[in-house]
Amino acid sequence: QKEVEQDPGPLSVPEGAIVSLNCTYSNSAFQYFMWYRQYSRKGPELLMYTYSSGNKEDGRFTAQVDKSSKYISLFIRDSQPSDSATYLCAMRGSSASKIIFGSGTRLSIRP
Amino acid sequence: GAGVSQSPSNKVTEKGKDVELRCDPISGHTALYWYRQSLGQGLEFLIYFQGNSAPDKSGLPSDRFSAERTGGSVSTLTIQRTQQEDSAVYLCASINLNTNEQFFGPGTRLTVL
Repeated sequence: QKEVEQDPGPLSVPEGAIVSLNCTYSNSAFQYFMWYRQYSRKGPELLMYTYSSGNKEDGRFTAQVDKSSKYISLFIRDSQPSDSATYLCAMRGSSASKIIFGSGTRLSIRP
Repeated sequence: GAGVSQSPSNKVTEKGKDVELRCDPISGHTALYWYRQSLGQGLEFLIYFQGNSAPDKSGLPSDRFSAERTGGSVSTLTIQRTQQEDSAVYLCASINLNTNEQFFGPGTRLTVL
């Protein structure tokens, strides 16, 4: 079993829809949770960063962490074609430790 | 300058040759991570540095892989006697562990023929 599980998709939704992306994990030591966006042939770009459980909102993006269920989510409101990319969840334990990535979900927003 | 740079951007080599990949992190970021990404796959952890030391090198696939970091800045990843399965994009990330500010470089696309 992988430490971090993420549905690879692809996920295709119409412009303006709410998108929900999710990851599950098995290591209860994870404390820092991140979401990255990766466009084709580019390096990942950090979108959201959350410490421990709770919600965090930044513009159209909301990240949720439920440590009791070992489940994290990223919601995108009013999705735009420019949001089309691969979204990767990632997490780590202590401040100085390796970051484990999910395999990424390919998202396509249809105009 | 701004951002993380990696060189070369593309490298094509013959099986059995050695290659050296370079990462220039953001000044002041003490943590530096190396990852490998195969086509359509997620990021596979290789090694990370805190300053010049590597507390976790558990992701290096074999003893053909090594990495070093000097002066708390530039890092090089060396692959000896390359094999076709080494073909991938090698990414490095520069991170400020206090603020979690982090940036990935554009990657080096390695092709082993």
